[in-house]
Amino acid sequence: GAVVSQHPSWVICKSGTSVKIECRSLDFQATTMFWYRQFPKQSLMLMATSNEGSKATYEQGVEKDKFLINHASLTLSTLTVTSAHPEDSSFYICSATTGQGAGYGYTFGSGTRLTVV
Amino acid sequence: AQRVTQPEKLLSVFKGAPVELKCNYSYSGSPELFWYVQYSRQRLQLLLRHISRESIKGFTADLNKGETSFHLKKPFAQEEDSAMYYCALRGNQGAQKLVFGQGTRLTINP
Repeated sequence: GAVVSQHPSWVICKSGTSVKIECRSLDFQATTMFWYRQFPKQSLMLMATSNEGSKATYEQGVEKDKFLINHASLTLSTLTVTSAHPEDSSFYICSATTGQGAGYGYTFGSGTRLTVV
Repeated sequence: AQRVTQPEKLLSVFKGAPVELKCNYSYSGSPELFWYVQYSRQRLQLLLRHISRESIKGFTADLNKGETSFHLKKPFAQEEDSAMYYCALRGNQGAQKLVFGQGTRLTINP
């Protein structure tokens, strides 16, 4: 079945530094990838939708300059949290889809827990 | 706008009892509804979707357009059903994004 690999699974960084999270589709080509943020005991909040080769579409309230998304190939999307602050600490989850065929589905990564100290 | 509401944050039932996790949605077009499950320390995985009309692990869900609901049901709960359950919606216009409800933590007591 479709597999999405997300790396790293956890990261601790100092305030003011940047952190990059990778999301790879291992056995399919993901035309579209999504980035979610999940606070403790809360739901997944969609941050942005990224299509291969084009700029990401950010949800209202998400800072584009803070959360840089790159989707340079059909198998890789990256989320960079720039100038991280403690309030950016959260669980980040990516999801990928081929976006094709009737009733296409989504495959989720295992998530990245970011702690900013 | 797409919106999914799961009114119960926590639900606890005894093993063998029926389970119903509620999901209501708001969408002006024709939506596609999903249920995802997240077991402890595992990634989110698809449980079922309304277009396939399948029964997975004994769970079923029927899309009720009149009541804008997609409740998840199982007649006899099992301990291994304890998990976090998310209802999600995809619209039929524009972006393919999946919007999630707040989630319901289901606990099955022995």
